[in-house]
Amino acid sequence: SAVISQKPSRDICQRGTSLTIQCQVDSQVTMMFWYRQQPGQSLTLIATANQGSEATYESGFVIDKFPISRPNLTFSTLTVSNMSPEDSSIYLCSADPLVLKTQYFGPGTRLLVL
Amino acid sequence: AQKVTQAQTEISVVEKEDVTLDCVYETRDTTYYLFWYKQPPSGELVFLIRRNSFDEQNEISGRYSWNFQKSTSSFNFTITASQVVDSAVYFCALSEAPQGGKLIFGQGTELSVKP
Repeated sequence: SAVISQKPSRDICQRGTSLTIQCQVDSQVTMMFWYRQQPGQSLTLIATANQGSEATYESGFVIDKFPISRPNLTFSTLTVSNMSPEDSSIYLCSADPLVLKTQYFGPGTRLLVL
Repeated sequence: AQKVTQAQTEISVVEKEDVTLDCVYETRDTTYYLFWYKQPPSGELVFLIRRNSFDEQNEISGRYSWNFQKSTSSFNFTITASQVVDSAVYFCALSEAPQGGKLIFGQGTELSVKP
């Protein structure tokens, strides 16, 4: 299975600030995905990040709030901007490094906004 | 529209009992993939199984087994002789292959196995 790492693993932030989450995959992948899991809820896709092009956002998520970078085939960042307590969630990145139409997930970033 | 329904929000069993987690899906595509993931208290999502829409064979992996029935649009997951370490939230998910990977998750079933 793939190794996907995320940093930070958790953070506590003040409202109005921004946090950038990093995701590293141990092999080159075409697409990387960012999901949000609100407390006690399921996972919802925020956006798909392709290397060399703009990220594709799902309905309800906008680039100004969740800017994404994808500088190379193994790395991506998600920024949660101008945070409010409603942004308190687990943010997970995923990728399909084995090209088996199977997404493997990073360990997640637990974010608490005060 | 695609949708995954896990009607069981929480299940509690005693160790060594068998337990089945239900998953019902909706899709208009003929090609799609179904998944089960496990999320232990640590929060990491662990891949358990992938099944494509053309393969209705049931699968067994140790104490885990999966029953895929296209006629009822169901992909149920059974744990035999449950153990405390099986306690977790289990998610069923759907991916439509032509769209390249987007996963649609069910609401999850929280399984508690008591000693």
